[in-house]
Amino acid sequence: GIQVEQSPPDLILQEGANSTLRCNFSDSVNNLQWFHQNPWGQLINLFYIPSGTKQNGRLSATTVATERYSLLYISSSQTTDSGVYFCAVRAGYSSASKIIFGSGTRLSIRP
Amino acid sequence: SAVISQKPSRDICQRGTSLTIQCQVDSQVTMMFWYRQQPGQSLTLIATANQGSEATYESGFVIDKFPISRPNLTFSTLTVSNMSPEDSSIYLCSAQGAAGNTIYFGEGSWLTVV
Repeated sequence: GIQVEQSPPDLILQEGANSTLRCNFSDSVNNLQWFHQNPWGQLINLFYIPSGTKQNGRLSATTVATERYSLLYISSSQTTDSGVYFCAVRAGYSSASKIIFGSGTRLSIRP
Repeated sequence: SAVISQKPSRDICQRGTSLTIQCQVDSQVTMMFWYRQQPGQSLTLIATANQGSEATYESGFVIDKFPISRPNLTFSTLTVSNMSPEDSSIYLCSAQGAAGNTIYFGEGSWLTVV
């Protein structure tokens, strides 16, 4: 089955720093999403980005589908950005195919 | 977007008992899923909840342990049966939007089995 790998596994930064999170996937996908899981466990959908680039405030994401990777950029980090960031891809082209999650990047922003 | 409500949000359960988690979506959705997240781990798909028929389980998960119902397009339940401490996890309900791309999650149900 499709493999989803995220790096780095852990990242500790000072408030105000920028960061780049990476997601590699082993097969072609037509659905890729980035999620943020806050310390209370809530999963928030950040981007639906099967290809191209999107921006939302301090966050942006780029997916290069032909090279099977996606990047999540966080600029001017704030303590509220702390949590775990997951990349998730659809295994297959049918909308009924299951969504597979990467192992996540745990981000800690220090004040 | 879809708003998903789960309950209970948190519970402490005795070994050997069963607990049913409810998931309510505020709009009709095509697909509903149940995930498990063990402490410090990523999300693992348990099953796809099919409306009006038996759920489709992933490898390693069986109906006797995790019976699932989905009587209509907006509601599903997951039961964790005969619980052991290894079942202590966050259980998350998710739903796929009508467009078939974005998926949304409930707040999760944090279960601790003692």
